[in-house]
Amino acid sequence: NAGVTQTPKFQVLKTGQSMTLQCAQDMNHEYMSWYRQDPGMGLRLIHYSVGAGITDQGEVPNGYNVSRSTTEDFPLRLLSAAPSQTSVYFCASSPRDMAIYNSPLHFGNGTRLTVT
Amino acid sequence: SQQGEEDPQALSIQEGENATMNCSYKTSINNLQWYRQNSGRGLVHLILIRSNEREKHSGRLRVTLDTSKKSSSLLITASRAADTASYFCATLRGMEYGNKLVFGAGTILRVKS
Repeated sequence: NAGVTQTPKFQVLKTGQSMTLQCAQDMNHEYMSWYRQDPGMGLRLIHYSVGAGITDQGEVPNGYNVSRSTTEDFPLRLLSAAPSQTSVYFCASSPRDMAIYNSPLHFGNGTRLTVT
Repeated sequence: SQQGEEDPQALSIQEGENATMNCSYKTSINNLQWYRQNSGRGLVHLILIRSNEREKHSGRLRVTLDTSKKSSSLLITASRAADTASYFCATLRGMEYGNKLVFGAGTILRVKS
């Protein structure tokens, strides 16, 4: 049972490059989300999705795009990388919309991104 | 913006002692959750307490919630070296705040053997 799988584990980008962080879950979870973790700031919500075809912005969405074409996958796209996007990125899923069903998040192991 | 503020930022105790971590928040909430993060790994859910609950137990974990003071505490009893990790509280804000789960900056716990 893989749970939430994130790839790659590490990535170095140059300023202005674009890339996609992959996230896949095999638990048939409806809710998926992306967070970034920076030292001393906890986790901040970037984008989330309550089901296939539905996405919404979180707290810090600028510079990132998402799409949800299937229940399993929720990729995060960096359009034009900036040094301020250097961070650890976590994908998390939940069985249902956690705002309604009080269900906790299941996290992947993260992608450590450095933008030079 | 952070919702939960954990206290202390770091805690170092001996194996067998109890560890208490506190979390304060600012808005109304639907529930409060505690997560653990081992170094280099993702967060793992520990316990969820609803806004109408006051105390919850899970194994060696005890969580309390005081909505009048907007605060929660996580108690780990008889700590073990394997409990060394960062601990985060997360609050699920109400609909008026967009139904978002907001994390604090965490408490780093070190259990010395």
